[in-house]
Amino acid sequence: AQSVAQPEDQVNVAEGNPLTVKCTYSVSGNPYLFWYVQYPNRGLQFLLKYITGDNLVKGSYGFEAEFNKSQTSFHLKKPSALVSDSALYFCAVRGGGEYGGATNKLIFGTGTLLAVQP
Amino acid sequence: EAGVAQSPRYKIIEKRQSVAFWCNPISGHATLYWYQQILGQGPKLLIQFQNNGVVDDSQLPKDRFSAERLKGVDSTLKIQPAKLEDSAVYLCASNPIRGRANEQFFGPGTRLTVL
Repeated sequence: AQSVAQPEDQVNVAEGNPLTVKCTYSVSGNPYLFWYVQYPNRGLQFLLKYITGDNLVKGSYGFEAEFNKSQTSFHLKKPSALVSDSALYFCAVRGGGEYGGATNKLIFGTGTLLAVQP
Repeated sequence: EAGVAQSPRYKIIEKRQSVAFWCNPISGHATLYWYQQILGQGPKLLIQFQNNGVVDDSQLPKDRFSAERLKGVDSTLKIQPAKLEDSAVYLCASNPIRGRANEQFFGPGTRLTVL
């Protein structure tokens, strides 16, 4: 079964420092991986995705993620954190079969709260 | 473009009562999802529609939850009767079949509290 794990409940970082939010996955076949961000009282917002191609994926708001097949990881990174980046971050993998076929539901991790201190 | 709309934003009910949530996806999006997000957890899929057909409802508690998307546009999720453990945020999401088919667009959610 497809699954993702986010080992850290919370990550604390000072503004201006680089940040990393960790995610590992378990899938059968090629993974479709995603990062979403959730601000208080708001829905999830798409940040970036890995489907195929370059292992370094660039997304919204200066975030990027590195796909590492040998370590089955898809860590979210940003070179310089902002206080406004403080939010809840979810890693997700697409469940089901191939595109256009079976369900493409998202299976989410438990989330990591990012706290950026000024 | 307008985003995914959901209503109400908040609902408080007593256990054993009924409740319904409404979702209007982004115009033209054929696929619609309902997720349940319990506090401290990631969202969990309840049901997925493509147009007005159900693709996946394997995790929908069918003894109390029901959902419909009769005209393939907006959708309603109902809980009858509600239990304490149904307290959660109910998120609706949609995506197109082509183009950005791998990105799900989420609404703001409905926060349900069951007392």
